Amino acid sequence: AQSVTQPDIHITVSEGASLELRCNYSYGATPYLFWYVQSPGQGLQLLLKYFSGDTLVQGIKGFEAEFKRSQSSFNLRKPSVHWSDAAEYFCAVAPTGFQKLVFGTGTRLLVSP
Amino acid sequence: GAVVSQHPSWVICKSGTSVKIECRSLDFQATTMFWYRQFPKQSLMLMATSNEGSKATYEQGVEKDKFLINHASLTLSTLTVTSAHPEDSSFYICSASTTAVAQETQYFGPGTRLLVL
Repeated sequence: AQSVTQPDIHITVSEGASLELRCNYSYGATPYLFWYVQSPGQGLQLLLKYFSGDTLVQGIKGFEAEFKRSQSSFNLRKPSVHWSDAAEYFCAVAPTGFQKLVFGTGTRLLVSP
Repeated sequence: GAVVSQHPSWVICKSGTSVKIECRSLDFQATTMFWYRQFPKQSLMLMATSNEGSKATYEQGVEKDKFLINHASLTLSTLTVTSAHPEDSSFYICSASTTAVAQETQYFGPGTRLLVL
């Protein structure tokens, strides 16, 4: 069965420091890959997505992610974290090419002053 | 960007009653809408997919008679939790899209927190 693993439940990063959130997926082919952010009281917001082509994907709010087929990974990065980035981050895959998303368990990002 | 609203944002009900949650796409026509359930500190689990004017497709393990989904228009889908019990307490999230293909963005509502006493 398709699955998405986000090994880090919580991550604390100092403001201004770099960030990397890990995501691994289990699927036979290359699925469509997504990163979403969830802030309290707000709906999930799409940060970026990968379907094909360049394996380094640029998203909104200064985020980027790199697809590595050999590692079945799609890690999210940001060079300099802002306090407003504190939120829950979800990696998701759409295994079939249709909008049936399988989500990871999320990583809560805390930003320290 | 596209906006999806949910109403109510939270609801408390007695065991045995039914609760209806609305999901609206405010500025676009949503051919496809999705309903998710999120348990504390857990992932979102897709419950069902609905297309306007047709019956919803439920995921394995989701009781369709328990969770009634109606997608009567291109801007409104409803989820009714029938004869709610405490184990139905959860955070319910809807999303909407203009198509069913993965390349099209899903827009998520802010969620509805249900507490069944």
